[in-house]
Amino acid sequence: NAGVTQTPKFRILKIGQSMTLQCTQDMNHNYMYWYRQDPGMGLKLIYYSVGAGITDKGEVPNGYNVSRSTTEDFPLRLELAAPSQTSVYFCASNPSGYNEQFFGPGTRLTVL
Amino acid sequence: ELKVEQNPLFLSMQEGKNYTIYCNYSTTSDRLYWYRQDPGKSLESLFVLLSNGAVKQEGRLMASLDTKARLSTLHITAAVHDLSATYFCAARRSMYSGGGADGLTFGKGTHLIIQP
Repeated sequence: NAGVTQTPKFRILKIGQSMTLQCTQDMNHNYMYWYRQDPGMGLKLIYYSVGAGITDKGEVPNGYNVSRSTTEDFPLRLELAAPSQTSVYFCASNPSGYNEQFFGPGTRLTVL
Repeated sequence: ELKVEQNPLFLSMQEGKNYTIYCNYSTTSDRLYWYRQDPGKSLESLFVLLSNGAVKQEGRLMASLDTKARLSTLHITAAVHDLSATYFCAARRSMYSGGGADGLTFGKGTHLIIQP
Protein backbone atom coordinates (compact mmCIF):
# COMPACT_ATOMS: atom_id res chain seq x y z
CA ASN A 1 0.00 0.00 0.00
CA ALA A 2 1.62 3.23 -1.16
CA GLY A 3 -1.13 5.31 0.50
CA VAL A 4 -1.48 8.82 -0.94
CA THR A 5 1.16 9.81 -3.47
CA GLN A 6 1.75 13.23 -5.00
CA THR A 7 3.84 14.41 -7.91
CA PRO A 8 5.90 16.44 -8.39
CA LYS A 9 7.64 17.00 -5.04
CA PHE A 10 8.92 20.43 -6.04
CA ARG A 11 8.14 22.82 -8.86
CA ILE A 12 9.02 26.37 -9.82
CA LEU A 13 6.60 28.14 -12.14
CA LYS A 14 6.73 31.49 -13.85
CA ILE A 15 3.82 33.90 -13.44
CA GLY A 16 1.08 33.03 -15.90
CA GLN A 17 2.14 29.43 -16.45
CA SER A 18 -0.19 26.52 -15.78
CA MET A 19 0.39 23.12 -14.25
CA THR A 20 -1.36 20.09 -12.82
CA LEU A 21 -0.52 18.64 -9.43
CA GLN A 22 -1.14 14.91 -9.38
CA CYS A 23 -2.63 12.96 -6.47
CA THR A 24 -3.28 9.21 -6.37
CA GLN A 25 -4.45 6.95 -3.57
CA ASP A 26 -4.54 3.16 -3.55
CA MET A 27 -6.79 2.68 -0.52
CA ASN A 28 -10.07 2.80 -2.45
CA HIS A 29 -11.15 5.87 -0.49
CA ASN A 30 -14.19 7.73 -1.70
CA TYR A 31 -13.26 11.11 -0.23
CA MET A 32 -10.31 13.14 -1.43
CA TYR A 33 -9.14 16.67 -0.58
CA TRP A 34 -6.70 19.34 -1.62
CA TYR A 35 -5.22 21.72 0.95
CA ARG A 36 -2.59 24.43 0.79
CA GLN A 37 -0.26 25.34 3.62
CA ASP A 38 1.38 28.76 3.67
CA PRO A 39 4.48 29.31 5.84
CA GLY A 40 3.68 29.28 9.54
CA MET A 41 0.01 28.64 8.93
CA GLY A 42 -2.47 25.82 9.14
CA LEU A 43 -3.89 24.09 6.11
CA LYS A 44 -6.71 25.59 4.07
CA LEU A 45 -9.13 23.51 2.03
CA ILE A 46 -9.11 24.22 -1.70
CA TYR A 47 -11.44 21.56 -3.15
CA TYR A 48 -12.79 18.22 -2.13
CA SER A 49 -14.51 15.24 -3.73
CA VAL A 50 -16.88 12.69 -2.23
CA GLY A 51 -16.60 10.28 -5.13
CA ALA A 52 -15.79 9.94 -8.80
CA GLY A 53 -17.52 12.69 -10.77
CA ILE A 54 -18.39 14.77 -7.69
CA THR A 55 -16.35 17.76 -6.57
CA ASP A 56 -17.01 20.88 -4.50
CA LYS A 57 -15.27 24.06 -3.47
CA GLY A 58 -13.54 24.54 -0.16
CA GLU A 59 -12.41 27.75 1.54
CA VAL A 60 -9.93 29.00 -1.08
CA PRO A 61 -10.87 27.66 -4.55
CA ASN A 62 -10.08 30.73 -6.68
CA GLY A 63 -7.37 30.10 -9.25
CA TYR A 64 -7.73 26.31 -9.09
CA ASN A 65 -9.72 23.59 -10.78
CA VAL A 66 -10.18 19.89 -10.06
CA SER A 67 -11.63 16.82 -11.66
CA ARG A 68 -12.32 13.31 -10.38
CA SER A 69 -12.80 10.80 -13.16
CA THR A 70 -11.65 7.78 -11.12
CA THR A 71 -11.69 6.81 -7.45
CA GLU A 72 -7.89 6.78 -7.35
CA ASP A 73 -6.96 10.13 -8.89
CA PHE A 74 -7.73 13.71 -7.93
CA PRO A 75 -5.59 16.18 -9.92
CA LEU A 76 -5.43 19.88 -9.07
CA ARG A 77 -5.03 22.31 -11.93
CA LEU A 78 -3.50 25.77 -11.57
CA GLU A 79 -4.30 28.15 -14.38
CA LEU A 80 -2.34 31.40 -14.80
CA ALA A 81 -0.09 30.91 -11.79
CA ALA A 82 0.36 33.89 -9.46
CA PRO A 83 2.92 34.54 -6.68
CA SER A 84 0.07 34.21 -4.15
CA GLN A 85 -0.14 30.52 -5.08
CA THR A 86 3.34 29.87 -3.73
CA SER A 87 2.65 27.28 -1.07
CA VAL A 88 2.90 23.64 -0.11
CA TYR A 89 0.01 21.61 -1.47
CA PHE A 90 -1.24 18.52 0.32
CA CYS A 91 -3.64 15.93 -0.99
CA ALA A 92 -5.56 13.76 1.48
CA SER A 93 -8.11 10.98 1.44
CA ASN A 94 -10.40 9.02 3.74
CA PRO A 95 -13.03 6.34 3.34
CA SER A 96 -15.81 8.65 4.49
CA GLY A 97 -15.94 12.26 5.62
CA TYR A 98 -15.87 11.30 9.29
CA ASN A 99 -12.61 9.38 9.49
CA GLU A 100 -9.11 10.66 9.93
CA GLN A 101 -7.63 11.95 6.71
CA PHE A 102 -4.48 10.40 5.30
CA PHE A 103 -2.14 12.95 3.82
CA GLY A 104 0.29 12.70 0.93
CA PRO A 105 3.89 13.96 1.16
CA GLY A 106 3.08 17.34 -0.38
CA THR A 107 4.16 19.39 -3.40
CA ARG A 108 6.22 22.52 -2.76
CA LEU A 109 5.33 25.09 -5.41
CA THR A 110 7.06 28.42 -5.98
CA VAL A 111 5.69 30.98 -8.45
CA LEU A 112 8.18 33.64 -9.53
CA GLU B 1 -18.23 30.09 9.48
CA LEU B 2 -16.13 27.59 11.36
CA LYS B 3 -12.93 28.99 12.86
CA VAL B 4 -10.31 27.13 14.87
CA GLU B 5 -7.89 28.84 17.22
CA GLN B 6 -4.95 27.25 18.97
CA ASN B 7 -2.82 28.53 21.76
CA PRO B 8 -0.07 28.89 22.35
CA LEU B 9 1.31 29.16 18.80
CA PHE B 10 4.84 28.64 20.04
CA LEU B 11 6.00 26.69 23.05
CA SER B 12 9.49 25.94 24.29
CA MET B 13 9.72 23.58 27.20
CA GLN B 14 12.17 21.35 28.97
CA GLU B 15 12.21 17.59 28.98
CA GLY B 16 10.27 16.06 31.84
CA LYS B 17 7.75 18.90 32.12
CA ASN B 18 4.01 18.78 31.48
CA TYR B 19 2.07 21.15 29.31
CA THR B 20 -1.26 21.62 27.55
CA ILE B 21 -2.15 22.94 24.11
CA TYR B 22 -5.63 24.45 23.75
CA CYS B 23 -7.90 24.38 20.73
CA ASN B 24 -11.11 26.40 20.51
CA TYR B 25 -13.57 26.19 17.64
CA SER B 26 -16.29 28.65 16.86
CA THR B 27 -19.35 26.67 15.76
CA THR B 28 -20.77 23.20 16.07
CA SER B 29 -18.55 20.47 14.67
CA ASP B 30 -19.03 16.72 14.91
CA ARG B 31 -15.36 15.72 14.91
CA LEU B 32 -12.14 17.13 16.30
CA TYR B 33 -8.75 15.96 15.04
CA TRP B 34 -5.17 16.32 16.19
CA TYR B 35 -2.25 16.02 13.77
CA ARG B 36 1.50 16.18 14.11
CA GLN B 37 3.83 17.67 11.50
CA ASP B 38 7.61 17.39 11.54
CA PRO B 39 9.61 20.07 9.67
CA GLY B 40 9.32 19.64 5.89
CA LYS B 41 7.09 16.60 6.29
CA SER B 42 3.47 15.68 5.86
CA LEU B 43 0.80 15.42 8.55
CA GLU B 44 0.44 12.40 10.78
CA SER B 45 -2.89 11.66 12.46
CA LEU B 46 -2.76 11.48 16.25
CA PHE B 47 -6.35 11.46 17.52
CA VAL B 48 -9.94 11.68 16.34
CA LEU B 49 -12.39 12.83 19.02
CA LEU B 50 -16.01 12.05 18.39
CA SER B 51 -18.15 13.13 21.30
CA ASN B 52 -18.37 15.26 24.40
CA GLY B 53 -16.09 14.03 27.14
CA ALA B 54 -14.03 11.92 24.77
CA VAL B 55 -10.50 11.25 26.00
CA LYS B 56 -7.80 9.44 24.06
CA GLN B 57 -4.23 8.67 25.07
CA GLU B 58 -1.20 7.49 23.16
CA GLY B 59 2.07 7.37 25.05
CA ARG B 60 2.81 10.79 26.55
CA LEU B 61 0.00 12.51 24.64
CA MET B 62 -3.60 12.75 25.80
CA ALA B 63 -6.39 14.55 23.98
CA SER B 64 -9.82 15.50 25.29
CA LEU B 65 -12.94 17.15 23.93
CA ASP B 66 -15.57 19.37 25.56
CA THR B 67 -18.21 20.07 22.94
CA LYS B 68 -20.20 22.39 25.18
CA ALA B 69 -17.21 24.68 25.64
CA ARG B 70 -16.08 23.99 22.05
CA LEU B 71 -12.66 23.21 23.44
CA SER B 72 -10.16 20.44 22.91
CA THR B 73 -6.87 20.01 24.73
CA LEU B 74 -3.70 18.10 23.94
CA HIS B 75 -1.79 17.33 27.12
CA ILE B 76 1.88 16.36 27.08
CA THR B 77 3.18 14.43 30.05
CA ALA B 78 6.87 14.27 30.94
CA ALA B 79 7.91 15.68 27.57
CA VAL B 80 10.79 14.14 25.64
CA HIS B 81 12.79 15.66 22.78
CA ASP B 82 11.18 13.34 20.19
CA LEU B 83 7.87 15.10 20.71
CA SER B 84 9.27 18.30 19.22
CA ALA B 85 7.03 19.09 16.22
CA THR B 86 4.15 21.30 15.14
CA TYR B 87 0.76 20.14 16.41
CA PHE B 88 -2.45 21.04 14.61
CA CYS B 89 -6.01 20.69 15.70
CA ALA B 90 -8.74 20.63 13.08
CA ALA B 91 -12.51 20.55 13.19
CA ARG B 92 -14.66 18.89 10.58
CA ARG B 93 -16.69 21.23 8.44
CA SER B 94 -20.31 20.38 8.09
CA MET B 95 -23.37 21.96 6.57
CA TYR B 96 -24.23 23.15 10.07
CA SER B 97 -20.98 25.10 10.46
CA GLY B 98 -21.49 26.83 7.15
CA GLY B 99 -19.42 26.99 4.00
CA GLY B 100 -19.71 23.45 2.79
CA ALA B 101 -20.28 19.89 3.76
CA ASP B 102 -16.87 18.35 4.22
CA GLY B 103 -13.16 18.82 4.76
CA LEU B 104 -11.31 20.12 7.78
CA THR B 105 -10.71 23.61 9.14
CA PHE B 106 -7.28 23.79 10.76
CA GLY B 107 -5.82 25.94 13.48
CA LYS B 108 -2.53 27.71 12.82
CA GLY B 109 -0.60 25.06 14.71
CA THR B 110 1.50 25.00 17.87
CA HIS B 111 5.22 24.87 17.23
CA LEU B 112 6.62 22.84 20.12
CA ILE B 113 10.31 22.68 20.98
CA ILE B 114 11.41 20.40 23.78
CA GLN B 115 14.89 21.03 25.05
CA PRO B 116 17.06 18.57 26.98
